[in-house]
Amino acid sequence: KQEVTQIPAALSVPEGENLVLNCSFTDSAIYNLQWFRQDPGKGLTSLLLIQSSQREQTSGRLNASLDKSSGRSTLYIAASQPGDSATYLCAVQSWEGGSEKLVFGKGMKLTVNP
Amino acid sequence: KAGVTQTPRYLIKTRGQQVTLSCSPISGHRSVSWYQQTPGQGLQFLFEYFSETQRNKGNFPGRFSGRQFSNSRSEMNVSTLELGDSALYLCASSRPSGGSDTQYFGPGTRLTVL
Repeated sequence: KQEVTQIPAALSVPEGENLVLNCSFTDSAIYNLQWFRQDPGKGLTSLLLIQSSQREQTSGRLNASLDKSSGRSTLYIAASQPGDSATYLCAVQSWEGGSEKLVFGKGMKLTVNP
Repeated sequence: KAGVTQTPRYLIKTRGQQVTLSCSPISGHRSVSWYQQTPGQGLQFLFEYFSETQRNKGNFPGRFSGRQFSNSRSEMNVSTLELGDSALYLCASSRPSGGSDTQYFGPGTRLTVL
């Protein structure tokens, strides 16, 4: 059974720091991995999607890498800003229980202090 | 392009009642997935509909059901509500997938069961 873990559950940093968010998964047979952002009381916003054949994806100040063999992904946020404060979720799409499913980690709550 | 919309945004029900939630996908998207988000369990996959057929199903009891209409709009129904059904219910739409499409999430419906 696929399990996705994000450690730590929360992180508080001063503005301007470069951040690395970690995600690990137990089954390397994945179709893709996605990073999402969730603001309080709102839905999820897709940040980056990495296909299983790719190693990384970049968007603005965000860079996500994928190492399938070790079951790890990292989301790098450069020069963090207070507006980056949110919960960040990692999810893998894989074959689970006879069908494709998106399996989520429990998220990491990021607070960037001005 | 309009995003995924969900109605209602907030619901308060009592135990034993039933509830129907609605999701309108992004125009042109034919796949709709439903998720339950709680503080304890995080985001859990409920089911996915594609072309009016349930394609995937998570591990939820039969009280949770859904359907999809010919215009791709989807409804989710929960019968005989329990206190533990209190959660944020999110729907997501995507184009037909081979396991590689980004999912776009709606803002969610916050269900409180008293």
